[in-house]
Amino acid sequence: DIQMTQSPSSLSASVGDRVTITCRASQSISNSLNWYQQKPGKAPNLLIYAVSNLQRGVPSRFSGSGSGTDFTLTISSLQPEDFATYYCQRTYTTPPTFGQGTKVEVK
Amino acid sequence: EVQLLESGGGLVQPGGSLRLSCAASGFTFSSYAMSWVRQAPGKGLEWVSTIGSSGEITNYADSVKGLFTISRDNSKNTLFLQMNSLRAEDTAVYHCAKSTCGASTCYRFDYWGQGSLVTVSS
Repeated sequence: DIQMTQSPSSLSASVGDRVTITCRASQSISNSLNWYQQKPGKAPNLLIYAVSNLQRGVPSRFSGSGSGTDFTLTISSLQPEDFATYYCQRTYTTPPTFGQGTKVEVK
Repeated sequence: EVQLLESGGGLVQPGGSLRLSCAASGFTFSSYAMSWVRQAPGKGLEWVSTIGSSGEITNYADSVKGLFTISRDNSKNTLFLQMNSLRAEDTAVYHCAKSTCGASTCYRFDYWGQGSLVTVSS
């Protein structure tokens, strides 16, 4: 199976900071990469699909980039509601593996 | 408004069985693939199974293949997960999730339920 590795596992940041989370696939997955946000006790929420497409209703401060094996989620200016855990997910083949998650905490 | 409401979770002994349900509303249920994704306490997301829109084709994670069965009733807008021979490592919150298309390999999940907790313990 293709493995997805996120880095860092956690980070501390302040409101207004630019935050970057990386996701690396163990082999090329083309553009089949999604990002989800999950807050404690809540269901995950789709943020970005197919590497760089913003899901309807998601603020434009979120963006995605990358290709092949290396992908990035960027939050341009961190807001109080953005403190959460973020997961990448590949959808190229079965099983659709998730990364282990990156927790964004208050600095 | 899309709503997904899971039910059927609870405490079960190792080796036991449980059937989860997910009641869907707010969209044309029969047009979309549906999935189960689980999350063990304090852990990340793990895909469990997906069923195509017609119910004819299913996919499973290796960890549950032969033990869990996904099904759907399009006349009742309901998704099911029959879980047999449960083990401690199956303890998790089980979320149902709606896919953005109908194929059984459609793994982009745009709506999720809040989840149903399954605890496997003696």
